[in-house]
Amino acid sequence: QQQVKQSPQSLIVQKGGIPIINCAYENTAFDYFPWYQQFPGKGPALLIAIRPDVSEKKEGRFTISFNKSAKQFSLHIMDSQPGDSATYFCAARWSGGGADGLTFGKGTHLIIQP
Amino acid sequence: DGGITQSPKYLFRKEGQNVTLSCEQNLNHDAMYWYRQDPGQGLRLIYYSQIVNDFQKGDIAEGYSVSREKKESFPLTVTSAQKNPTAFYLCASSPWSSYNSPLHFGNGTRLTVT
Repeated sequence: QQQVKQSPQSLIVQKGGIPIINCAYENTAFDYFPWYQQFPGKGPALLIAIRPDVSEKKEGRFTISFNKSAKQFSLHIMDSQPGDSATYFCAARWSGGGADGLTFGKGTHLIIQP
Repeated sequence: DGGITQSPKYLFRKEGQNVTLSCEQNLNHDAMYWYRQDPGQGLRLIYYSQIVNDFQKGDIAEGYSVSREKKESFPLTVTSAQKNPTAFYLCASSPWSSYNSPLHFGNGTRLTVT
């Protein structure tokens, strides 16, 4: 059973546009929601993270929106650039989950066209 | 610079052979992890270790083995029992002190078995 569902699987956006990647979760015990960015041939790197007591968090051009009642959260990239082209993973974790508690979505392959 | 080193970057093996992937970290992190990444499948947890000489199975441990003799090292052996070993393997670590500590990933080893 997939605990974190991510969509879309792939996304193409023109430079300057605002790509939006969505994730939905089922386990209401989740209390930490990070996003990872992965470039080809590299390992993922933490981009931004949010906790459910906050509805929005911004770091530079990246924003997470969180809807606790709907059990959904999304990543927005403002003024997107070709250098943002990468695979993005959402994830979720619960404080009682121990070292194995991070569950990943299946990823979104984002292409920003010049 | 602190980080996680995975070697080699590319590895080729014949079917039926065991192969060991190396993972070393100098971040002084307690927890270490192995993930498998396949196209469209996200990141799936193979094994994780919270302390030296202790490790736990993840979601897809069958056909894999690990050891944790030193805090810095967490090698993964892909055995001949693994039915579909060709994949991108990622090692990660995190400080165990907090559930929302980010995972730090290495740059992966791409294993091809023919």
